[in-house]
Amino acid sequence: QVQLQESGPGLVKPSETLSLTCTVSGGSISSYYLNWIRQPPGKGLEWIGYIAYYGSTNYNPSLKSRVTISVDTSKNQISLRLSSVTAADTAVYYCARVTQLAVGFFDYWGQGALLTVSS
Amino acid sequence: QSVLTQPPSVSAAPGQKVTISCSGSSSNIGNNYVSWYQQLPGTAPKLLIYDNNKRPSGIPDRFSGSKSGTSATLGITGLQTGDEADYYCGTWDNSLSGWVFGGGTKLTVL
Repeated sequence: QVQLQESGPGLVKPSETLSLTCTVSGGSISSYYLNWIRQPPGKGLEWIGYIAYYGSTNYNPSLKSRVTISVDTSKNQISLRLSSVTAADTAVYYCARVTQLAVGFFDYWGQGALLTVSS
Repeated sequence: QSVLTQPPSVSAAPGQKVTISCSGSSSNIGNNYVSWYQQLPGTAPKLLIYDNNKRPSGIPDRFSGSKSGTSATLGITGLQTGDEADYYCGTWDNSLSGWVFGGGTKLTVL
């Protein structure tokens, strides 16, 4: 059974860079795409971006200038970096898997990591 | 402002049926598969419907999906109190080359 687990600092100061990691267990991350999706408190889901196991990425244009997603296949992990954070970046951050672009769907999700931006 | 439009809330009595709509455009729903996700309070979203109308293993047939043009609909029959959750539609957007979601619909089982 594939499992995804997000981890991060919990609290980040405004203007700093947010860093989160998603570790996949129960299978290799090869052959599919891992995504970051976030959900501000009481609000809906927002797709942040994806990375393929071979390193290809694509990001939501609304966040593209501040986002970097990277992969470490040796650790079965992906990472998210979001720079110049503000209170608007406070959210639960999920990683989720799709097996194909365009026609795919999110079949496995992590439990989510709450990240609060506050001084 | 979400790319896909859903009603903020729907409600119905136990045992009844409810439908949740999801409206988009030709760059997303009109030319791509729609999936639906159930988010119980305090938990991560869970895949409910994929490829417009298919159910993953373990999802009861009380849940159904359909698509017509640039809109999709989730149907739930035989409502149970355990169905109270937020429901989200999602699909690929060709203009974005990424995924978009609806704003979510809160289901209340009265």
